[in-house]
Amino acid sequence: EPEVTQTPSHQVTQMGQEVILRCVPISNHLYFYWYRQILGQKVEFLVSFYNNEISEKSEIFDDQFSVERPDGSNFTLKIRSTKLEDSAMYFCASSGVELSGNTIYFGEGSWLTVV
Amino acid sequence: KQEVTQIPAALSVPEGENLVLNCSFTDSAIYNLQWFRQDPGKGLTSLLLIQSSQREQTSGRLNASLDKSSGRSTLYIAASQPGDSATYLCAMRDANAGKSTFGDGTTLTVKP
Repeated sequence: EPEVTQTPSHQVTQMGQEVILRCVPISNHLYFYWYRQILGQKVEFLVSFYNNEISEKSEIFDDQFSVERPDGSNFTLKIRSTKLEDSAMYFCASSGVELSGNTIYFGEGSWLTVV
Repeated sequence: KQEVTQIPAALSVPEGENLVLNCSFTDSAIYNLQWFRQDPGKGLTSLLLIQSSQREQTSGRLNASLDKSSGRSTLYIAASQPGDSATYLCAMRDANAGKSTFGDGTTLTVKP
């Protein structure tokens, strides 16, 4: 079965450093998402991306965050100047042609620890 | 703003029991509902998706129902097994925005 892959699986970074989390969505999908889950808390929506632009973002997704699809396969989340509270599991997800009709598939997540 | 609540927060049952997990939501203007399974430290595995126009979906021992009028969904697990032990999450997909709003999850433990 096709899957969303994420790298790295775990990253430890110092506060103030920049981090890039990488994702390879399912190949024929057109909608891409980032979610995060702080330990013990709910999965929270960060941003959705379609047609090479952000289609929606949450209040969490402030100026320190950015997303990019630099080529035909990768989808990245960049966090500039990380803070302690950015420590969380970050999930990439993708869905198919129909915006709202299709199943969303999630990756295994990238666990970010900011120290 | 969509609010999603899952009850109970945790559930422990003996192997073989049938069980029901509950999910309630405040905004019925959803496009679909998806149930996920999450093992500790792992990603989200999709179990079932119910479109807004549908009432239920079945996959193997799992059956999910949707009642938009009451703002509720249930996940029924038949003949539970220890391998079913995990956290189960429901998520509502917005009709317009496409984002999903998740509940806190129900952590299920099935004892051998």
